Amino acid sequence: LAKTTQPISMDSYEGQEVNITCSHNNIATNDYITWYQQFPSQGPRFIIQGYKTKVTNEVASLFIPADRKSSTLSLPRVSLSDTAVYYCLVGEHNAGKSTFGDGTTLTVKP
Amino acid sequence: EAQVTQNPRYLITVTGKKLTVTCSQNMNHEYMSWYRQDPGLGLRQIYYSMNVEVTDKGDVPEGYKVSRKEKRNFPLILESPSPNQTSLYFCASGGQGLGETQYFGPGTRLLVL
Repeated sequence: LAKTTQPISMDSYEGQEVNITCSHNNIATNDYITWYQQFPSQGPRFIIQGYKTKVTNEVASLFIPADRKSSTLSLPRVSLSDTAVYYCLVGEHNAGKSTFGDGTTLTVKP
Repeated sequence: EAQVTQNPRYLITVTGKKLTVTCSQNMNHEYMSWYRQDPGLGLRQIYYSMNVEVTDKGDVPEGYKVSRKEKRNFPLILESPSPNQTSLYFCASGGQGLGETQYFGPGTRLLVL
């Protein structure tokens, strides 16, 4: 499993764009990159997933450079409700062991 | 509605009293997994199952047992709970194959006295 490294915490203000970067130097060929969001006392929730280049959905974008050794989750115009822990998960997914890492605590201020 | 359910949601018990936390999914997923979450330690995988009758250890399996007799159910068993198993537990399920994601249950908060 590729080990991931994320910033422990980030602060932002409402309406700003937030970028959270995850390093995964040992990513394997078959690994996907998935981001989850977790609110206190709730289970993680899928946000976005990608393999290479850029992926966008209704809530976020995921940027993956050509070497795939890192990825950046981009949240446009955050609101107070985006305050949560964000996890980057790298792997073949559901192929066995799953390691979430420490996550990034994002605090959005008014 | 596609979902993962866990029962009970909250449980207070005493050391040594066997307990089972149930997990059920209605999405016909092959993969199921149990995690525990403790302050400052993030999500740690306890056990996972690739399919019926196939289970394997995660990162912190000590003190836990699991079984997968049916595709939809994946109970977590604590034969002799201890206070260090006080935690928030999450069950998850997902399809297999590249690109599949995990769907998490609402969590079970366990206090072992």
